[in-house]
Amino acid sequence: EDKVVQSPLSLVVHEGDTVTLNCSYEVTNFRSLLWYKQEKKAPTFLFMLTSSGIEKKSGRLSSILDKKELFSILNITATQTGDSAVYLCAVCGSGGSNYKLTFGKGTLLTVNP
Amino acid sequence: DTEVTQTPKHLVMGMTNKKSLKCEQHMGHRAMYWYKQKAKKPPELMFVYSYEKLSINESVPSRFSPECPNSSLLNLHLHALQPEDSALYLCASSQGWGNTIYFGEGSWLTVV
Repeated sequence: EDKVVQSPLSLVVHEGDTVTLNCSYEVTNFRSLLWYKQEKKAPTFLFMLTSSGIEKKSGRLSSILDKKELFSILNITATQTGDSAVYLCAVCGSGGSNYKLTFGKGTLLTVNP
Repeated sequence: DTEVTQTPKHLVMGMTNKKSLKCEQHMGHRAMYWYKQKAKKPPELMFVYSYEKLSINESVPSRFSPECPNSSLLNLHLHALQPEDSALYLCASSQGWGNTIYFGEGSWLTVV
């Protein structure tokens, strides 16, 4: 069975801090790893990673994938209160002819002013 | 802003009611999904449609009945639900298998 483990489960920081969120996985026939940000509504797509060692960057957020060690990290620099959210890691793999997206439990990030 | 549109945003229904959740996307995506999310839990896959055909049913009880009238629309028909079915129901779509999945804003369902 596919498995995605995120750590830490929750994190409290002050504005301006840098945070690193972790995601490790075990999945059949890995295809991609995705990061989402979820506030009080639906998950918002952040990054999709398919290749090892290539950093994806969007403003203060960046992410990288290690397919050998089966993990990914999401970095947020100079955090702001608006970064407070649950960050979900999901891995897409295939079992048989179908692809499935398996989510981790998420990391709840709280950024205090 | 998400290009997956869900209606209604909020729904309160009794256990004997029949209601439907609707989802629409105009991105030309060929795969559409229903997820259920309870508080403080990650989304759980319910159904996947690929090219308008049901590809995955994650052993969802028959009181939930999906329908895909065409490539842009996805419905979830609800009948005889239980209070424990109260949750956020998320529709999503992707270009195809293994591509990025984009979520709608969700429908908050309360069963009383």
